[in-house]
Amino acid sequence: DAGVIQSPRHEVTEMGQEVTLRCKPISGHNSLFWYRQTMMRGLELLIYFNNNVPIDDSGMPEDRFSAKMPNASFSTLKIQPSEPRDSAVYFCASSLPPSEAFFGQGTRLTVV
Amino acid sequence: ELKVEQNPLFLSMQEGKNYTIYCNYSTTSDRLYWYRQDPGKSLESLFVLLSNGAVKQEGRLMASLDTKARLSTLHITAAVHDLSATYFCAVDIIAGKSTFGDGTTLTVKP
Repeated sequence: DAGVIQSPRHEVTEMGQEVTLRCKPISGHNSLFWYRQTMMRGLELLIYFNNNVPIDDSGMPEDRFSAKMPNASFSTLKIQPSEPRDSAVYFCASSLPPSEAFFGQGTRLTVV
Repeated sequence: ELKVEQNPLFLSMQEGKNYTIYCNYSTTSDRLYWYRQDPGKSLESLFVLLSNGAVKQEGRLMASLDTKARLSTLHITAAVHDLSATYFCAVDIIAGKSTFGDGTTLTVKP
């Protein structure tokens, strides 16, 4: 398996634009997570899916953020409209509990 | 709410020395994970600890779990430069949903 695949790897966008981050989890994993990492706040869990169903979205910062998992092999995280404070590295991870989570390479988002 | 605390947050040590990183958590759990992150890279799994008294070793790193004390340790033996990275512990209280510590940034100097 190629691991968790995220795209794009880098994204630079202007404030106010819509941004969509994509994730393909490892086949057979039933849990998927979106994390955000910044120097100031560290690693934050944004949302957690189990069997394609959102279980906990309490970490989603505000209504500008939304996430979907239409099937077991694909998830998106959308920010609309984007703001400079959304600049961060966004990681997608998948797991088959109780095994560990496997992280994608991340998307470095810069909002100017 | 589960809290996971690591200490120290920053560690500078000389090659060849030993040291221990501590991970304390606030709620009963028997699932704890250690991850490593190199600068600008993603997180990779080091150890999975799933029971009280679990001990895992890989090279110069050894991790243990004491669920009664709610404590895990990551012991570094005879550090080498290649171990320089940030180390995270993560705890599950709901299957699959991990709460991460703030990370310990380790710098190994010659």
